[in-house]
Amino acid sequence: NAGVTQTPKFQVLKTGQSMTLQCAQDMNHEYMSWYRQDPGMGLRLIHYSVGAGITDQGEVPNGYNVSRSTTEDFPLRLLSAAPSQTSVYFCASSYSEGTETQYFGPGTRLLVL
Amino acid sequence: EDQVTQSPEALRLQEGESSSLNCSYTVSGLRGLFWYRQDPGKGPEFLFTLYSAGEEKEKERLKATLTKKESFLHITAPKPEDSATYLCAVQAWGSNTGKLIFGQGTTLQVKP
Repeated sequence: NAGVTQTPKFQVLKTGQSMTLQCAQDMNHEYMSWYRQDPGMGLRLIHYSVGAGITDQGEVPNGYNVSRSTTEDFPLRLLSAAPSQTSVYFCASSYSEGTETQYFGPGTRLLVL
Repeated sequence: EDQVTQSPEALRLQEGESSSLNCSYTVSGLRGLFWYRQDPGKGPEFLFTLYSAGEEKEKERLKATLTKKESFLHITAPKPEDSATYLCAVQAWGSNTGKLIFGQGTTLQVKP
């Protein structure tokens, strides 16, 4: 199993550009989520999904969209990038919502100029 | 408001010098407390889950304990390869039980 994979590893955007961060898992996990990690802030939940076709907002959802058309994939879209979105983004998955162990991907480092 | 605070922010140890990392939490109803290890440039790696006060889990040189207000990660006779950032997170009962509320982490450096 590859686990949780994320692409790209690193991306530079200009303000106003859009892009999609990819996340995939091959463990047949129902629960997937996106976090951002900023210095001094810890990891914060952006969006999450409890299964295909079901998504909801987390703590810091503004400026981000998600969709979940398959169990395996959970892309995160930035519609109009802003410097405040410069961060490291992590995707995580678990078998189900709740106390199941959540496995994190390797992260995408995003720089918005 | 659910909150997690970790201390110290940074810890330097000599190889073999045992110590403890603290994770204090305030949560409406604790569903689970998690410890993760994060190496530079990598994603968090799961270590332990604790569910109730008094519970303890061990893995090699690491031992995690839980009380009603805090958790400790005890590191016994650490080695340089234990150097990493250790993250504590809690899950609370509520509408999104999958949400992890993270502390800011403790960065551990073990010198040979």
